[in-house]
Amino acid sequence: EPEVTQTPSHQVTQMGQEVILRCVPISNHLYFYWYRQILGQKVEFLVSFYNNEISEKSEIFDDQFSVERPDGSNFTLKIRSTKLEDSAMYFCASSGPGIAKNIQYFGAGTRLSVL
Amino acid sequence: QQQVKQSPQSLIVQKGGISIINCAYENTAFDYFPWYQQFPGKGPALLIAIRPDVSEKKEGRFTISFNKSAKQFSLHIMDSQPGDSATYFCAASLLGYALNFGKGTSLLVTP
Repeated sequence: EPEVTQTPSHQVTQMGQEVILRCVPISNHLYFYWYRQILGQKVEFLVSFYNNEISEKSEIFDDQFSVERPDGSNFTLKIRSTKLEDSAMYFCASSGPGIAKNIQYFGAGTRLSVL
Repeated sequence: QQQVKQSPQSLIVQKGGISIINCAYENTAFDYFPWYQQFPGKGPALLIAIRPDVSEKKEGRFTISFNKSAKQFSLHIMDSQPGDSATYFCAASLLGYALNFGKGTSLLVTP
């Protein structure tokens, strides 16, 4: 069964450093998302991406964040200058074309620890 | 503003019992209501979903009940099994757009 793949599974970084979280969505999917889950809290939407541009973003997704689809398979989330409060599990999700757009498939996540 | 409120926060059910998790939403424009199941170390996985034009949807042991006038929906797990022990998230959205998740319910099914 096709799945969304995220790397690394755990990223440790120092405050102020840049991090890039990587995702390989399901191959025929067209819509891509990033969510995050701070430990013990709900899953929160960050951004959605379609046709090489951001289609929707939340208040959390400020200028410190950016997304990119550098090639035909990868989808990345960059945090320019990490803060302690960026520590969370980051989930990538993707969904298919047409009516399948509403079914979002999630990866296993990248745990980001900012020290 | 918390768009989706979920209760209870945790739930313990005996094997064979019925697990019931409730959610309420704020935005009457929402038209897609999925439930996600998450096991430790894994991402959320879609379990079952409903649109507001029906009041109930059943898939195997899992049933969503939907009350549009009350802006509430619930997940019922019949004949609960230890393998159902996981965290369950309800969500609501405009179809095809960002999911607004509830805070999650940690379900433990005891043998």
